Amino acid sequence: DGGITQSPKYLFRKEGQNVTLSCEQNLNHDAMYWYRQDPGQGLRLIYYSQIVNDFQKGDIAEGYSVSREKKESFPLTVTSAQKNPTAFYLCASSIPRTGDFEQFFGPGTRLTVL
Amino acid sequence: AQKVTQAQTEISVVEKEDVTLDCVYETRDTTYYLFWYKQPPSGELVFLIRRNSFDEQNEISGRYSWNFQKSTSSFNFTITASQVVDSAVYFCALSEPMTTDSWGKLQFGAGTQVVVTP
Repeated sequence: DGGITQSPKYLFRKEGQNVTLSCEQNLNHDAMYWYRQDPGQGLRLIYYSQIVNDFQKGDIAEGYSVSREKKESFPLTVTSAQKNPTAFYLCASSIPRTGDFEQFFGPGTRLTVL
Repeated sequence: AQKVTQAQTEISVVEKEDVTLDCVYETRDTTYYLFWYKQPPSGELVFLIRRNSFDEQNEISGRYSWNFQKSTSSFNFTITASQVVDSAVYFCALSEPMTTDSWGKLQFGAGTQVVVTP
């Protein structure tokens, strides 16, 4: 079945540590996105990539880094510079062409900083 | 700047009642898309509907219907005869202008929690 997988589902990290969240899709989508969701709030865009080897900062990129070496994969690293990383992280993908670019989402990773 | 407002933070209904979710958007672009997503307790966002700015025809799909009015910049969503499984957070979203390099990005509203009790 085609879809988006994120791992791990739950992640705990100590302050000062970098952690990497995995996002893989087999939908053959060109574009991929990372969002952060805090309790009771909407989604905020961290980074997005419209094509392999290219990515752009979203609204809240500080303290995060990404790579897009393969079409299927868009890992997100939460660095120690991110001051409040505890949140729910969602990865999405889409085909950014006219009229057909709804985003499809993975199940999410819940990150907790201890 | 793009903006999506969902003024209702939570709506509670009893099963079989209808639920209408409000969404008001702001954009300067003439070509854009609007979306509704559902986020059940599991956390994954589920795509429900998409509407482009040129099509104001309102439709019904099963128990879902939507009312798109460009004159008031509103894109309201209705669940008819609600069921307990409809309990979730519902997000309205607006696409970036297609004239920019960042088209395909979505601006989300804050979401509306729907609670359906038996």
